[in-house]
Amino acid sequence: EIVMTQSPATLSVSPGERATLFCRASQSVSSNLAWYQQKPGQAPRLLIYGVSTRATAIPTRFSGSGSGTEFTLTISSLQSEDFAVYYCQQYNNWPPYTFGQGTKLEIK
Amino acid sequence: EVQLLESGGGLVRPGESLRLSCVASGFTFTSYAMSWVRQAPGKGLEWVSTVSGSGASTYYADSVTGRFTISRDSSKNTLYLQMNSLRAEDTAVYYCAKAVNRNSGTYFDYWGQGTLVTVSP
Repeated sequence: EIVMTQSPATLSVSPGERATLFCRASQSVSSNLAWYQQKPGQAPRLLIYGVSTRATAIPTRFSGSGSGTEFTLTISSLQSEDFAVYYCQQYNNWPPYTFGQGTKLEIK
Repeated sequence: EVQLLESGGGLVRPGESLRLSCVASGFTFTSYAMSWVRQAPGKGLEWVSTVSGSGASTYYADSVTGRFTISRDSSKNTLYLQMNSLRAEDTAVYYCAKAVNRNSGTYFDYWGQGTLVTVSP
């Protein structure tokens, strides 16, 4: 099973600033990496797939990068609606599909 | 518009059974694999099970193998999760999630709103 590790667990950033979230895989997942956003009481929403491709209607301030085992989600110029929990997920080696434990992005 | 609507959650005692349903609309149901993903209170996301678009192939997390059964009914555009021998650690919100392809490794592009399953004496 591939273990996904996200860091930091919590990130405090001011609105308008940039946020950088990290995801590490215990072994290579090639480019089969997705990111999701989850707000309290809501279902997860797909943000990024294939490391860097934005899903439908996702703003351009969200970008993904990386390869193999190290991945990054960057949110440039944070908006109030971006404060949420973010999860990475690998779909290279399955079953099982595995998620990171999440990074909570909070307002500083 | 893709919609996924789960139902069937509730409060059950350890050892009891429950069947979750997820009615899908807005896409060709048989063209996509479907999955269940759960989230324990205050915790992260855990993949539970996936069924291929045809229903012929099923996959399970080790934690539920032998206790849960995933299935789908194409005539009703409905995904199911039969959960037997429930344990306290199965307590979670269960999400129905649509894959982006019929069979192979996938991410999930649409999610239902979730249904809460609580297992408690």
